[in-house]
Amino acid sequence: AQKITQTQPGMFVQEKEAVTLDCTYDTSDQSYGLFWYKQPSSGEMIFLIYQGSYDEQNATEGRYSLNFQKARKSANLVISASQLGDSAMYFCAMLEGDNQGGKLIFGQGTELSVKP
Amino acid sequence: DTEVTQTPKHLVMGMTNKKSLKCEQHMGHRAMYWYKQKAKKPPELMFVYSYEKLSINESVPSRFSPECPNSSLLNLHLHALQPEDSALYLCASSQGPGGLAGWGTETQYFGPGTRLLVL
Repeated sequence: AQKITQTQPGMFVQEKEAVTLDCTYDTSDQSYGLFWYKQPSSGEMIFLIYQGSYDEQNATEGRYSLNFQKARKSANLVISASQLGDSAMYFCAMLEGDNQGGKLIFGQGTELSVKP
Repeated sequence: DTEVTQTPKHLVMGMTNKKSLKCEQHMGHRAMYWYKQKAKKPPELMFVYSYEKLSINESVPSRFSPECPNSSLLNLHLHALQPEDSALYLCASSQGPGGLAGWGTETQYFGPGTRLLVL
């Protein structure tokens, strides 16, 4: 079974600085996908970025990039130029799926606080 | 457009009430999901519907009853809930099975959630 580990319960970053949120995973599958979601205090889970296990390049989406190290089984999220609106809970997730449906396995999350 | 809508945003109900949560998507997705999230915890899967058929039930108590009237709508009927069922209920959708990519590349898009309080 898949497992996601986020070891940073909470982090602080100064506005305009970059921050890295850690995520390690465990799976025996050869093909898999890793996701990062942002959850503000309002509750909505916002999809940020996706990395496929066979993707040769690290995924990027605007200020978000994913530092994917397959051999280390890590998929860290890098947020560049932090903004106050980035303050939220961030979840790393992996799909545990078969032909019946995709179950997202989430890490425990990292609460990011951006300081002005 | 990656919008999933959920109503109501907030719901307070007694243990003897019957209520329903509604979820809607117009992205042509064929898979829809219900997750339950307790405070300060990650979401946990409850149900998966694929092509309007229930494909996964994560051993959810029968007081939660899902329904998928059509490919755009997903309901969660609530009856005789317990205070410990108070949580944020999130609906999600994804493209659905099929294609060479398989499930591992599916991206699930979530709605804003319904905050449920059971008194």
